[in-house]
Amino acid sequence: AQTVTQSQPEMSVQEAETVTLSCTYDTSESNYYLFWYKQPPSRQMILVIRQEAYKQQNATENRFSVNFQKAAKSFSLKISDSQLGDTAMYFCALPYGGSQGNLIFGKGTKLSVKP
Amino acid sequence: DTGVSQDPRHKITKRGQNVTFRCDPISEHNRLYWYRQTLGQGPEFLTYFQNEAQLEKSRLLSDRFSAERPKGSFSTLEIQRTEQGDSAMYLCASSLATSYNSPLHFGNGTRLTVT
Repeated sequence: AQTVTQSQPEMSVQEAETVTLSCTYDTSESNYYLFWYKQPPSRQMILVIRQEAYKQQNATENRFSVNFQKAAKSFSLKISDSQLGDTAMYFCALPYGGSQGNLIFGKGTKLSVKP
Repeated sequence: DTGVSQDPRHKITKRGQNVTFRCDPISEHNRLYWYRQTLGQGPEFLTYFQNEAQLEKSRLLSDRFSAERPKGSFSTLEIQRTEQGDSAMYLCASSLATSYNSPLHFGNGTRLTVT
């Protein structure tokens, strides 16, 4: 069965510091994508970053980067220079099987950025 | 790009009543998805469409749930004979099916409360 596990229900970080959110997963697929989505309070969910499994290079998007360890099935998100607007729920997600529509989401990590 | 819009934002209904939600995707997007999110959980896949064709349904989707996308534009999700366990946020998302990793664009959701 495919699973996505986020073991940190809540985290907090001081503004301008760096924080890492962890995600582990299990899949039998050989090639797949992994995603991090952000859901700010009372606002819509948006894509933060995505990684294709066959690419060894870790994806980066401005202050957001991932540490993708395929053998360990680990996909952590690093947020550098944290900003107050980064306060949100963060979800790790993996497509189910070969589906192009069915994403399996983790339970999420609630990140609070403190001034 | 006006984003994905969902209507209504909130719905309170009594157990046993039928409810219908509407989703208007981003206009050029040919894929449309429905997810359900309960408190403290990540979104859970319900179904998705490519144009007017419903390509996939979750096995967890009760036969009380039905979704349509009659002209490949907006979609409706109907829940018949609502139960208290149906209380959740219902999220709609859309994407452009140009590649496997097309990001999902989410709406603000419809919060359903069944009393």
